[in-house]
Amino acid sequence: SQQGEEDPQALSIQEGENATMNCSYKTSINNLQWYRQNSGRGLVHLILIRSNEREKHSGRLRVTLDTSKKSSSLLITASRAADTASYFCATDEMGGNKLVFGAGTILRVKS
Amino acid sequence: DSGVTQTPKHLITATGQRVTLRCSPRSGDLSVYWYQQSLDQGLQFLIQYYNGEERAKGNILERFSAQQFPDLHSELNLSSLELGDSALYFCASRTGGSDEQFFGPGTRLTVL
Repeated sequence: SQQGEEDPQALSIQEGENATMNCSYKTSINNLQWYRQNSGRGLVHLILIRSNEREKHSGRLRVTLDTSKKSSSLLITASRAADTASYFCATDEMGGNKLVFGAGTILRVKS
Repeated sequence: DSGVTQTPKHLITATGQRVTLRCSPRSGDLSVYWYQQSLDQGLQFLIQYYNGEERAKGNILERFSAQQFPDLHSELNLSSLELGDSALYFCASRTGGSDEQFFGPGTRLTVL
């Protein structure tokens, strides 16, 4: 079963703009991870944020986590055409090692 | 390149058949996870192995089974295949002490 709900389902922006994707989940978690998938290919790990962290940065990526609202957001700044992909949040639930994925956001960056 | 390898990349077979998907984790990773990605179910966890032993089970059908060998590679066996088993099957591995899971390129299974 999918825990995460991602919003929006699809996002289309111009190159150079920022892209924000949101993820909500239902249970207590150890951490939340974001992945990128290019058109039917493998999942690339982007960033992991632990339940005791509120914000994390990696290059052009900024992730926030609000455990009280059970939600996370991924911000990609100064987007590029190469950022076009599907983005998934995945939660690592308390007491388990499996990842529970959201449905994903399809991001299209137009050049 | 995540360091996780999967073979084959593509597999086309008929209903009722049996196939084996193979995964080699990153060097030194003891944990292997299998996931299925389909259009209707999304990405779903199937099963986890740690150093040869089954650790967790998800939505894995009884027709499916897996194992992890002493050299830590893992195989996912799918039998009595149905059209609905057509999907991308991913393997991921995790290093002890770390929470990140690194995914292989996947095997695309098409059941005709």
